[in-house]
Amino acid sequence: AQTVTQSQPEMSVQEAETVTLSCTYDTSENNYYLFWYKQPPSRQMILVIRQEAYKQQNATENRFSVNFQKAAKSFSLKISDSQLGDTAMYFCAFMKHASRDDKIIFGKGTRLHILP
Amino acid sequence: KAGVTQTPRYLIKTRGQQVTLSCSPISGHRSVSWYQQTPGQGLQFLFEYFSETQRNKGNFPGRFSGRQFSNSRSEMNVSTLELGDSALYLCASNLGTGSGYTFGSGTRLTVV
Repeated sequence: AQTVTQSQPEMSVQEAETVTLSCTYDTSENNYYLFWYKQPPSRQMILVIRQEAYKQQNATENRFSVNFQKAAKSFSLKISDSQLGDTAMYFCAFMKHASRDDKIIFGKGTRLHILP
Repeated sequence: KAGVTQTPRYLIKTRGQQVTLSCSPISGHRSVSWYQQTPGQGLQFLFEYFSETQRNKGNFPGRFSGRQFSNSRSEMNVSTLELGDSALYLCASNLGTGSGYTFGSGTRLTVV
């Protein structure tokens, strides 16, 4: 069974700083997807970034980038030039690369506070 | 393009009652999944429907059930509600494998 672990329950950083959220996972699969989702107080889960395991290049979306280390089963999220609107719960998530198994396994989340 | 719509946003029910939650996916999305979110257990997968068929099911008791209609809209039903069923229930739709799910804003269910 797959597991996703986020070791930082809560973090706080000053606005404009860079912050890195950690995530490790365990799987015996070779092909899979990894995601970071953001959940602000509005409750809506928002997809931040997506990584395909068979792609070595780290995904980047504007101020958000990942450091994907497949051998180490690590998938950290870096937020550059953090903004107050980045305050939210962040969930790391895993999904198999299988057409009949679209279940997403989520980590417990990291609560991120961006301080003014 | 409309997002994933969940109704109602909030619901208060009494123990022993049953409840039905509704989810309308993004137009064109045929896969709909349901998740339960609680402070203690985090996000847990309930089930996934694709083209009106349940394709995956999580480890929840039979009191939790769902269905999907021909227009891809989905409902989940919880019978004989327990206090522990109080949670945020999130619905998500998916265009295709690996594309990532788009979530609705959830239904906050409180069982008293």
